[in-house]
Order: sequence, then structure tokens, then C-alpha cells
Amino acid sequence: EADIYQTPRYLVIGTGKKITLECSQTMGHDKMYWYQQDPGMELHLIHYSYGVNSTEKGDLSSESTVSRIRTEHFPLTLESARPSHTSQYLCASSRHRGNTIYFGEGSWLTVV
Amino acid sequence: QQQVKQSPQSLIVQKGGISIINCAYENTAFDYFPWYQQFPGKGPALLIAIRPDVSEKKEGRFTISFNKSAKQFSLHIMDSQPGDSATYFCAASITTSGTYKYIFGTGTRLKVLA
Repeated sequence: EADIYQTPRYLVIGTGKKITLECSQTMGHDKMYWYQQDPGMELHLIHYSYGVNSTEKGDLSSESTVSRIRTEHFPLTLESARPSHTSQYLCASSRHRGNTIYFGEGSWLTVV
Repeated sequence: QQQVKQSPQSLIVQKGGISIINCAYENTAFDYFPWYQQFPGKGPALLIAIRPDVSEKKEGRFTISFNKSAKQFSLHIMDSQPGDSATYFCAASITTSGTYKYIFGTGTRLKVLA
């Protein structure tokens, strides 16, 4: 059972608002990831981090930004939300030398 | 070369039947092949995984068959149950320069009819 938590689970916000999706894991994992997924569709890696102060952009271009100031925390921020940002955002983590990625339950974002 | 091709996109199976989902990859450097199961409204969860040094791995009703020469691997769900209805993702992992990278397939929506 993975201990990775995302808040909020569901969020509806207006266009132009700034939002931060929180992600925390209690497993001491070095690696953390953010994936974007439309319902029932494929997973797109948008950001990843291999440790504190390390962040990289993923395969899918995203207007969001991330930070990794603490090992356990990997928040994702949208400075100005748009309807095109409506999606599910999944946070995940893995050990430095582990092959299993553990996912959180996701944050559903709707921008109106 | 980094892609993992998954098929079918959707699958409907009768209760008690066998569900088969296939994946193919190109890069022979992949060294870990997991399958994830995702229920609606939840994040994906690891179901079963295999490494290329074995041809088959079985856990309960779930079996991975791995064909290294064909660069293909598949998930078999025996005695499929309505509770197995979910989206299944295959993946391939590669170690590059001491780091790990995951490539996910596009997913298969499985519906098991009662």
C-alpha cells in the first residue's frame, strides 16, 4: 500500500486563477512525478524530480511548474488556469533504485 | 524506440472468460515490465511485473507472458470477474545513466460482463 497523498481531490476554479496541487509521500522516496491524464486515457509525464532541488520537464509540455524543497513534498502550480488545463493530475513516487512507481489517487481539476 | 504499443484499446469479456492484453516495445534496453490496474477515480496501482530473464510470471488469476525475441509481453486474466473491470496499462522501464524512466502504454479498458 502506497503512502502518497494528493490534495485537493476535486477542484473547480475560474479562468485566470492560480492554483497549487499538493502532493506528499511518507515513504522517503527520492523520485517523484506528475502525470496528466484525461479520463480513461493514457498517462502523460509532465514533471519529475530525482531529489531535493531537482526538477525536470516531462514528455508532455505543460504550463505548470513544480518545486522540490523537501523530499516528501512535490507541489504543482498553475499561475493562470485555463479551461484547457481541465484534467486529472496524478502524483507518483519511486525509490532511487526501485522500479515500481506508486501513484496517488489524483487531483481532478476543472477550469470554468 | 521509446514507445510501448498496447492493444486492444478496449475489451469486453464474459464473466469466467480469459482477458488478454498485449504490449510491444522496440528498445531492447528495457529491463522491467509492469502492469498497472486503474479503477475509475483512482490512481493506477501495480498489479504484476516481470523482468526479461523469465518468460512467465503468475500471481493468482493474473499471468504475464514475456517473449524477449519478439519484444512482446501480455497480461492474461483467467476466470475474469466483473470486479476486474478497469483500465490496464502496461509499461516498460529503462535505466539510463543511473536513473529510471517509465514508458506507459496507452491503456486498455476492460469490461467484464456479469
